Amino acid sequence: EVQLVESGGGLVQPGGSLRLSCAASGFTFSSYWMNWVRRAPGEGLVWVSRIKSDGSGASYVDSVKGRFTISRDNAKNTLYLQMNSLRAEDTAVYYCARISGSYGGVSDFWGQGTVVTVSS
Amino acid sequence: DIVMTQSPDSLAVSLGERATINCKSSQSVLYSSNNKSYLAWYQQKPGQPPKLLIYWASTRESGVPDRFSGSGSGTDFTLTISSLQAEDVAVYYCHQYYSIPLTFGPGTKVDIK
Repeated sequence: EVQLVESGGGLVQPGGSLRLSCAASGFTFSSYWMNWVRRAPGEGLVWVSRIKSDGSGASYVDSVKGRFTISRDNAKNTLYLQMNSLRAEDTAVYYCARISGSYGGVSDFWGQGTVVTVSS
Repeated sequence: DIVMTQSPDSLAVSLGERATINCKSSQSVLYSSNNKSYLAWYQQKPGQPPKLLIYWASTRESGVPDRFSGSGSGTDFTLTISSLQAEDVAVYYCHQYYSIPLTFGPGTKVDIK
């Protein structure tokens, strides 16, 4: 059974940092590209970042460039999102999502999400 | 960036009736080399992650009931729920995965009338 379990969310002050993790199981993690997507309260889905299966080729939405870093450890089957210089507008549920290699790059399976709250 | 718009923002449909959601992209998401539109539809219920319903504009994901169907190509797309069931109450998003940054529509909330 495919599982993605996010962790690391919490309450942080503006300007602070958090590292999110996404533990994968039930599939060959090292073969899949991965996404981070977030949903702010009362808002829609926003793609945050993507990383290729070998850890290269990271991409980011403009609003997080220079502040967030996506990475992965294929030996540990884990995806990460290092978030620095956090702002109130980064408050959201953060989801990791597997990118299907068969469907042209769509995210076919999502974790339950972890909540990040940026507030003083 | 490709901007995705959806209409309506919300709709209420009687049980067993048809629900139709429209999605438009600001640029074509049709990849000419394979003639596929890189457009997906997701369903999200409160407290749950998004669930993939449709990819390549019209291909139903495995396990998705056949009352859900997608159509369209290029820049204009439609998600149809042919006979609304109570469990279909959710927010529906269209999503282009043609180019970075990946983008989503603002969502359409579907309720029971």
